[in-house]
Amino acid sequence: SSELTQDPAVSVALGQTVKITCQGDSLRTYSVSWYQQKPGQAPVLVVYGKNYRPSGIPDRFSASRSGTTTSLTITGAQAEDEADYYCNSRDSSGNALLFGGGTKLTVL
Amino acid sequence: QLQLQESGSGLVKPSQTLALTCTVSGGSISRGGYSWSWIRQPPGKGLEWVGFIYHSVTSYNPSLNSRVTISEDRSKNQFSLRLNSVTAADTAVYYCARGFIVTLGGVIELEGFDIWGRGTRVTVSS
Repeated sequence: SSELTQDPAVSVALGQTVKITCQGDSLRTYSVSWYQQKPGQAPVLVVYGKNYRPSGIPDRFSASRSGTTTSLTITGAQAEDEADYYCNSRDSSGNALLFGGGTKLTVL
Repeated sequence: QLQLQESGSGLVKPSQTLALTCTVSGGSISRGGYSWSWIRQPPGKGLEWVGFIYHSVTSYNPSLNSRVTISEDRSKNQFSLRLNSVTAADTAVYYCARGFIVTLGGVIELEGFDIWGRGTRVTVSS
């Protein structure tokens, strides 16, 4: 498969932990990056590779991988974490990049 | 600090060519280790990678391959997108972004888009 599959929507209570998943055959081979997008704004890189965060991204954001599934975990979700989250990697051929369909995170 | 700014026509007629430019400031597009991408987002939908240019070599989304061209002008520190034969399905916010690639022994270890432009809305309509 050359697709990355994400759950369309996930919710989490304020201060709790939430895991957003991304599944695809190519994830066995290629690196993944995760993006947060708030309404009307450009996406922001939050985690990449095995578990690296760009400068300025809180350490409550982390990533993990198991087989063909990679996960973005937010430990102690905050109201400002409410956003759409996208995973990104390569397709199975390795020649093209692609994004998951996105997950809308609601913080209750 | 590196910044990217998209510019171009916000309204394109069906069957015509969409043309956008990304101007990079605060750094050079000639610097090694980075690719320069276009990514789009139709209204209310998710992100779609359009293509990139990396060390003057291009790679495109297979679904757009026959219609898209990305080029660079190093003298102006810009890269550009041309999308031919547009339809309403090409209506989207178009982002330019810097991609980073870290390889080890020819294997991609790390990859992602670390800097994005603010995006420009393009509508295809007669």
